[in-house]
Amino acid sequence: NAGVTQTPKFQVLKTGQSMTLQCAQDMNHEYMSWYRQDPGMGLRLIHYSVGAGITDQGEVPNGYNVSRSTTEDFPLRLLSAAPSQTSVYFCASTPLGTGELFFGEGSRLTVL
Amino acid sequence: GEDVEQSLFLSVREGDSSVINCTYTDSSSTYLYWYKQEPGAGLQLLTYIFSNMDMKQDQRLTVLLNKKDKHLSLRIADTQTGDSAIYFCAERGYSSASKIIFGSGTRLSIRP
Repeated sequence: NAGVTQTPKFQVLKTGQSMTLQCAQDMNHEYMSWYRQDPGMGLRLIHYSVGAGITDQGEVPNGYNVSRSTTEDFPLRLLSAAPSQTSVYFCASTPLGTGELFFGEGSRLTVL
Repeated sequence: GEDVEQSLFLSVREGDSSVINCTYTDSSSTYLYWYKQEPGAGLQLLTYIFSNMDMKQDQRLTVLLNKKDKHLSLRIADTQTGDSAIYFCAERGYSSASKIIFGSGTRLSIRP
């Protein structure tokens, strides 16, 4: 079982560049979300989605866009990268019910 | 908005019990979770408790919930070196199963 797959695992960008972090899940979960993890700050919710075609903002949405055209995919876009976006990004999917999050392995992004 | 707080560090002696504490602000929380993150890995669900419960036990893990004080704790009995990790408390509000808010994480270290 693949579970939640994130790509790329590592990326270095220059300030102002754009990129997309890909996330795919094969568990047919309705809910998906993106978090960033920074030292001493835990995980902060960037955007989340309760189903295909529906997205909403989390705690720290500025500088990020998302879309959910299919149940399986939930890409995170950085339109103009800034050094403050240097972080480890985690995608997660959640089935109906208890809300347990199934995490991908993370994507480490460095913005110079 | 919702907020979840934890102390950043805890050090215990091997074989002792560890108690990790968490406070949250959302009185409409439906589920509260404990996740574990080992170095270089994503988060994995350890256990969860529904808001109408006050205690849940699962082998060496005991979760206590004081809903009046909005206080959650995780007790790990007979702490072992393999328990060294960061432990995250998280809560899910009533409005959306996908919007799960995390604390900053408590780093548990084990002394011989």
